[in-house]
Amino acid sequence: QSVLTQPPSVSGAPGQRVTISCTGSSSNIGAGYDVHWYQQLPGTAPKLLIYGNSNRPSGVPDRFSGSKSGTSASLAISGLQAEDEANYYCQSYDSSLTGSRVFGGGTKLTVL
Amino acid sequence: EVQLVESGGGLVQPGGSLRLSCAASGFTFSSYAMSWVRQAPGEGLEWVSTISGSGGGSYYVDSVKGRFTISRDNSKNTLFLQMNSLRAEDTAVYYCAKEVSGWQVSYYYYMDVWGKGTTVTVSS
Repeated sequence: QSVLTQPPSVSGAPGQRVTISCTGSSSNIGAGYDVHWYQQLPGTAPKLLIYGNSNRPSGVPDRFSGSKSGTSASLAISGLQAEDEANYYCQSYDSSLTGSRVFGGGTKLTVL
Repeated sequence: EVQLVESGGGLVQPGGSLRLSCAASGFTFSSYAMSWVRQAPGEGLEWVSTISGSGGGSYYVDSVKGRFTISRDNSKNTLFLQMNSLRAEDTAVYYCAKEVSGWQVSYYYYMDVWGKGTTVTVSS
């Protein structure tokens, strides 16, 4: 079991908007640590998508947005495109174990 | 261009050892913490270990404590992961990642650059 909980899968048609949730606890997201999101296209290494809850690195389209509230965070993807089909992972820090970076279990996005 | 290139993966028997390397370029290596993250076949990402920029601090996931050792050579811009007493469940692609960390309104630790990974298979 992952420390951060994500839905195993989400889907949407091209052009639609989907959201992926990431639920943590009082020792990670709820403790105030930032949440970050990564996109992993099939057969490739993960790529930073959102950092600091809602910031996009240079080159990431503004169709991708992130938010955080309480012990949860969300990734929203609007105007779905076929190339968005990938696995998405949230990541934070957990204070219950020194130095622990923690990932969610990942969410497979299928573009119908 | 910022680049991370892992090497050293391969097939090893249970109980064996392996040393992974990650060659970094395009940034001031000693200024950043570095991490290893692994991904078992068909599974999600798992953080394995992080080492501070100076090498003075290191952290591990519980499942590898006492078996894996992270280190770095800042003079050669290289990160290492020494893996001993390997088990079948250590089979994974191992990624090297550059970490950005700090405090603004809250603490943050994230990985902004990733290597392509090196595959470790533990099997008899």
